Amino acid sequence: LAKTTQPISMDSYEGQEVNITCSHNNIATNDYITWYQQFPSQGPRFIIQGYKTKVTNEVASLFIPADRKSSTLSLPRVSLSDTAVYYCLVGDLGGSSNTGKLIFGQGTTLQVKP
Amino acid sequence: DAGVTQSPTHLIKTRGQQVTLRCSPKSGHDTVSWYQQALGQGPQFIFQYYEEEERQRGNFPDRFSGHQFPNYSSELNVNALLLGDSALYLCASSLLIGGKETQYFGPGTRLLVL
Repeated sequence: LAKTTQPISMDSYEGQEVNITCSHNNIATNDYITWYQQFPSQGPRFIIQGYKTKVTNEVASLFIPADRKSSTLSLPRVSLSDTAVYYCLVGDLGGSSNTGKLIFGQGTTLQVKP
Repeated sequence: DAGVTQSPTHLIKTRGQQVTLRCSPKSGHDTVSWYQQALGQGPQFIFQYYEEEERQRGNFPDRFSGHQFPNYSSELNVNALLLGDSALYLCASSLLIGGKETQYFGPGTRLLVL
C-alpha cells in the first residue's frame, strides 16, 4: 500500500484559500486518492476523491498532477469551522486483496484563525 | 438517508471485561469496516466484513472479533480488555460501485478501560 506524507500542521486565517499537499511517490496504477476531514471525537468525514487531473465538489477541489506522485487539497475561503485534521489516503478502492484497508497517517492539523 | 450509526456513544469498562460495540451501515451499503483510533493518532484498521464473513484483518490480536448480520449491521467484540484498548472505535460502511468503494464513517464509540 502506498505511503503518504503530508505536513503535520498548518495555520490559516478566515477567508483565505488553504492548500494541503500530500506526497505519495509509490502510488500504484489502480490507486485512488481520498481525503477525509476529522473533528475531535468524531468519525472522519469524506471530503473528496480522485484518480487524476482535477476534481471539484461543493466543499473542495483536488488537484492531481500527471505523474500522480502528489495531490493537493484546496479549501476555498476557510472559516473557523474548517479547523480539523485532514487525512490523505491512497489505495485501491475495488477489486484487489487490499480493498477496504484504509491506511491513515498522522494527518494535517489545520488551525483557522479569526 | 440515514448515515452510519454506532452504539453506544460512550462506554466505561474495567480491565478483563468484555465489550460489544454495534454498527448500522449507511442505507444500501453491504460492507462494514472497523477502526481503532487512539488519542492523537490516525485510525487503525481492525477488520472488514462482507457477506457475513471477515474479508480482511489488520494487525490486531484475536481478542478482537466481529460479526456481520444478514441485514449488514455489525458488531465488534473485544475480550479481556486492557488499559491500552481505550480509544475511539470507528465503523465505516461502503458499497462497491463502478469499480470503486468509498468508506463512510460513523460517529464512533468512545471506550474507556479503567
